[in-house]
Amino acid sequence: EAGVAQSPRYKIIEKRQSVAFWCNPISGHATLYWYQQILGQGPKLLIQFQNNGVVDDSQLPKDRFSAERLKGVDSTLKIQPAKLEDSAVYLCASSSLTATNYGYTFGSGTRLTVV
Amino acid sequence: QQPVQSPQAVILREGEDAVINCSSSKALYSVHWYRQKHGEAPVFLMILLKGGEQKGHEKISASFNEKKQQSSLYLTASQLSYSGTYFCGTHDSWGKLQFGAGTQVVVTP
Repeated sequence: EAGVAQSPRYKIIEKRQSVAFWCNPISGHATLYWYQQILGQGPKLLIQFQNNGVVDDSQLPKDRFSAERLKGVDSTLKIQPAKLEDSAVYLCASSSLTATNYGYTFGSGTRLTVV
Repeated sequence: QQPVQSPQAVILREGEDAVINCSSSKALYSVHWYRQKHGEAPVFLMILLKGGEQKGHEKISASFNEKKQQSSLYLTASQLSYSGTYFCGTHDSWGKLQFGAGTQVVVTP
């Protein structure tokens, strides 16, 4: 089966600019996650979708980050305006159910550098 | 609250064994283990559910002690391909998967 697709692979922007990342999960996976991974750290959950509804966005900095999942398939994560501390790899993952007994499939990520 | 992993790093020679530990201050429903190679996405290895079961993936196995809120990953007869950073992810009753900071494993010839 095809994996989780993400684009772009790399992005360099200046602080205060905006940026958007795209994710296409594995076909049929109802649950989609966006994680932020800062160099040397474990992934941190930003937002979790079940179909096109938000399940958890408690760690999403809502003053600058937004995400949507239209039609319960593709998802977009946006940062506006970006700060230096947003430099990280943004990982998208999907799983077949919200139940806690299924593994996640991660995409290759988007490496964001804010200068 | 994210789980705590130890050690932070381990260097092995091919064929040696290692143990990576993961502990949480919260009661856990399940524990995931992932491996991430440099510049790549984390890859799912296995999941352990409440009940203390043990699982294996090739010569990598894991255990889950729900009473102690701990899980351990065992790398047996390590191979060069085992090099990478290993993350545990824990699910508490709220269902959010929280990852530890990772354990870097380097296997040398």
